[in-house]
Amino acid sequence: EAQVTQNPRYLITVTGKKLTVTCSQNMNHEYMSWYRQDPGLGLRQIYYSMNVEVTDKGDVPEGYKVSRKEKRNFPLILESPSPNQTSLYFCASSLSLGIHGYTFGSGTRLTVV
Amino acid sequence: AQSVTQLGSHVSVSEGALVLLRCNYSSSVPPYLFWYVQYPNQGLQLLLKYTSAATLVKGINGFEAEFKKSETSFHLTKPSAHMSDAAEYFCAVSDRANDYKLSFGAGTTVTVRA
Repeated sequence: EAQVTQNPRYLITVTGKKLTVTCSQNMNHEYMSWYRQDPGLGLRQIYYSMNVEVTDKGDVPEGYKVSRKEKRNFPLILESPSPNQTSLYFCASSLSLGIHGYTFGSGTRLTVV
Repeated sequence: AQSVTQLGSHVSVSEGALVLLRCNYSSSVPPYLFWYVQYPNQGLQLLLKYTSAATLVKGINGFEAEFKKSETSFHLTKPSAHMSDAAEYFCAVSDRANDYKLSFGAGTTVTVRA
């Protein structure tokens, strides 16, 4: 089944403890992206990647890192999480931008205390 | 820069009534437009998309949307609401001028009354 898989689905952590949210897609998509969803703000793009070893900042990149060493994986790294990063995170991938839109993962609900 | 405005953060409809969700966009070049649905505790699922072909677009679950360039709108409708339509709906836009980045509206939550 074609899908984007995120792990974990739920995560509670403490301020300052480094964490990684994994994202993997099995559709051979070149484009991948991370979004965060907050009430009343919709989804905002954190980082995106056009291809392997090519990443760029989205609208809200502060406090996040990404890497794209393989086509299928696009992990999101929070080096020192803070409470304002408590949010619902989505990974998405696309065959080609524009026409195809995105396929989204099921989301990761992160709570930083 | 592109942007999306969804009018109304909450919409309540009776079962069997028309569902109308409003979306206006701004884009300096011809846009691609999308509607996504998010059911509780799930990811986003593509309902339908406009990619410069027919202006009336039909999607899954009986939804459709009409692209109106003169009004910069892409409103979503369904003639008869079902209880299973209760969800949050997001309008999104992408265009060549912004490297096809997908920008979302704030979302509209739909509740369906029996």
